[in-house]
Amino acid sequence: DADVTQTPRNRITKTGKRIMLECSQTKGHDRMYWYRQDPGLGLRLIYYSFDVKDINKGEISDGYSVSRQAQAKFSLSLESAIPNQTALYFCATSVTQGGQRTSYNEQFFGPGTRLTVL
Amino acid sequence: SQELEQSPQSLIVQEGKNLTINCTSSKTLYGLYWYKQKYGEGLIFLMMLQKGGEEKSHEKITAKLDEKKQQSSLHITASQPSHAGIYLCGARTLSGGATNKLIFGTGTLLAVQP
Repeated sequence: DADVTQTPRNRITKTGKRIMLECSQTKGHDRMYWYRQDPGLGLRLIYYSFDVKDINKGEISDGYSVSRQAQAKFSLSLESAIPNQTALYFCATSVTQGGQRTSYNEQFFGPGTRLTVL
Repeated sequence: SQELEQSPQSLIVQEGKNLTINCTSSKTLYGLYWYKQKYGEGLIFLMMLQKGGEEKSHEKITAKLDEKKQQSSLHITASQPSHAGIYLCGARTLSGGATNKLIFGTGTLLAVQP
């Protein structure tokens, strides 16, 4: 079974609709992240959470919101979807190790959710 | 502008040929990750480099980190069709406090012709 799962895997919706993407992990990691991937732009961080009570905006948080329902679950919402939010969305997890500035935490990614907004 | 630049953006090679993908940072690298992605799928962790001059190999893939140049290279020897995909480099950022944000390069699309 996959350690990081995302639902749905594919979604087509219309402009103005509210959409929720869900991420679950069984790795026991405390940190979770949401990224979007667009051709030519690579991966960009939307939101990240260091634990259930700690949620932070990433590079491109406008138009998105998140909820960390439990350590294992981190959902991403598009309150009113627009076409330029069409992208591949990835959830990732990592675990805090050792010190802060010198810790290199490997991130584990989910399989991605392909979202199309018409 | 992108903090991590990858080159080339795309690459087509004949099966059996060697190839190199480069990742250059505009800032000091504190750790460099290489991932592979099949079209429309998730990311597969390949390897991570931490120290200047470090070199790691896994099967036919070798990655090196040159901190002075703020650059990493990924070399594939005797390429096979199974190597085809998008290769992404990622680097850890330090933006005040303790973070584990990874910034990513734009990716290199590799096609291997049989």
